[in-house]
Amino acid sequence: GAVVSQHPSRVICKSGTSVKIECRSLDFQATTMFWYRQFPKQSLMLMATSNEGSKATYEQGVEKDKFLINHASLTLSTLTVTSAHPEDSSFYICSARDVNSNQPQHFGDGTRLSIL
Amino acid sequence: AQKITQTQPGMFVQEKEAVTLDCTYDTSDPSYGLFWYKQPSSGEMIFLIYQGSYDQQNATEGRYSLNFQKARKSANLVISASQLGDSAMYFCAMREGPRGGATNKLIFGTGTLLAVQP
Repeated sequence: GAVVSQHPSRVICKSGTSVKIECRSLDFQATTMFWYRQFPKQSLMLMATSNEGSKATYEQGVEKDKFLINHASLTLSTLTVTSAHPEDSSFYICSARDVNSNQPQHFGDGTRLSIL
Repeated sequence: AQKITQTQPGMFVQEKEAVTLDCTYDTSDPSYGLFWYKQPSSGEMIFLIYQGSYDQQNATEGRYSLNFQKARKSANLVISASQLGDSAMYFCAMREGPRGGATNKLIFGTGTLLAVQP
C-alpha cells in the first residue's frame, strides 16, 4: 500500500488563488521530504527540500515566497502555491525517505494543479 | 553538463521480448546511488531498482536488472519478457553522496517512453 499520501490529487482553481498541497508519510518518520514539479512530457525537477523543524532549502530559480513550504511534524510537509497563475499549472509530486531504513524515497501520487 | 542523460525519448518493444533503456550519469562524488522509476500515465512514481556505487554486483529485481558499468558511467535498465503493463515513462535518477546522507535529493533524467506492442 501507499506509504506516502499526497492530497489533493487534482486541483482546478482561479488565477490568484492560493493552493495548499499536503504530503504525509503514513507509517514512518520523515525528517526530510522533497517537492518536485513536472511539466507535461518533461522530467521531474526538484523544487525544494523540506526539513522538519527548520526552513526549506530551495533550488536555484525557485521563488521561496511563491512556493511556501512548511514541515511542522515528522510526518507532514505542505507546499502552498501562493497567488497561483496559469503558468504555475503543473504536476507537483512529493517524496519522503524513512531515515531509519535503507529504503529508497517513496513518492506520493502527485497533484495536478490547473490554474484557469 | 547534464548529470543524468537518457538519450532515448521513446522505445518500442514487442511483448515478451527484452528491452534496454539507456542511462548515463556524471558525478565526481565517489559515493552515489542510481535509481530507476516507472511513471504510468496516472502519474505516480513507482520505484523499480537501485544500484549503489560500491555494489559489486548488478542489481536485479524480478524482471528488472540494472547493467551497471561504472567505468563508462552507465546504468542501463533491462526489462525482460516485456508485458503490456510495462508501457510507461521510465526515469533514471541519481543520488549524490552516501545512502542515508543529509539530503538524499534525486536528480532525474528526461525519461524514456516505453511502448510495449502486442
